[in-house]
Amino acid sequence: NAGVTQTPKFQVLKTGQSMTLQCAQDMNHNSMYWYRQDPGMGLRLIYYSASEGTTDKGEVPNGYNVSRLNKREFSLRLESAAPSQTSVYFCASSIQGSTEAFFGQGTRLTVV
Amino acid sequence: RKEVEQDPGPFNVPEGATVAFNCTYSNSASQSFFWYRQDCRKEPKLLMSVYSSGNEDGRFTAQLNRASQYISLLIRDSKLSDSATYLCVVNAPGTYKYIFGTGTRLKVLA
Repeated sequence: NAGVTQTPKFQVLKTGQSMTLQCAQDMNHNSMYWYRQDPGMGLRLIYYSASEGTTDKGEVPNGYNVSRLNKREFSLRLESAAPSQTSVYFCASSIQGSTEAFFGQGTRLTVV
Repeated sequence: RKEVEQDPGPFNVPEGATVAFNCTYSNSASQSFFWYRQDCRKEPKLLMSVYSSGNEDGRFTAQLNRASQYISLLIRDSKLSDSATYLCVVNAPGTYKYIFGTGTRLKVLA
C-alpha cells in the first residue's frame, strides 16, 4: 500500500540552484496538491491539479512551477531556490476536492 | 477573520481524561469537513471525516454544527499516544481546494 510517495525526503540546496520534487500516487486519484508547511503557519497550498491535464495556482505559487505528468504524477519545481523556500513540502491526492486527501511523507528542504 | 480557526493550545491533559476541540469556519457553503492528526515532523493523516449527523470512531466523536459554523472533536479516555496536533480541514466551496486550520496541539500526560 504505497499511497502517496514523495522524493526526495531531505534536500539541501544553495541559493539559486534548481530542483524538482517528485510525487506519485497509486490510488487512481484525480486531484493532486502541493503544500508547504512552516512553523506557526499551517499548511499553505502552492499549486494543485484538479484533474489530469489541469493545474492551478494556490495561495503561495511564486517561485514554483508544477507539472501534472500523468494521472499518477505531479511534480513541483523550484527554478531558483531562495532561503524563504526553506520548508517542509507535502504532496497530497484525493479522488476529488470534496473527499478526504492523503499525504505523502514530506520533503524537508533547506536553502542556504 | 481566518477561514478556519482553531485554538492552538497546547491542551495538557492526564491520561484517561476527556478532551474536546472546536474549529470554526467562515464559509457557510462549505460541505466537507475533516479532522487530521499530525505527529511531529510527519505528514497529516486522516483521523475522521465529519458528517452532518455526527459520527463516532472508537474513542473519537466528531460533530458538525452548521448553524454556528463549527466542528468539534471529542476524545475520550485519552492515551499517551493521542499526543499530536489535530488539524481541522474544510473544503473551499466550488473548488477542489482544502482549507487547513493551523492545528490544536494535544499533550497527554502520564
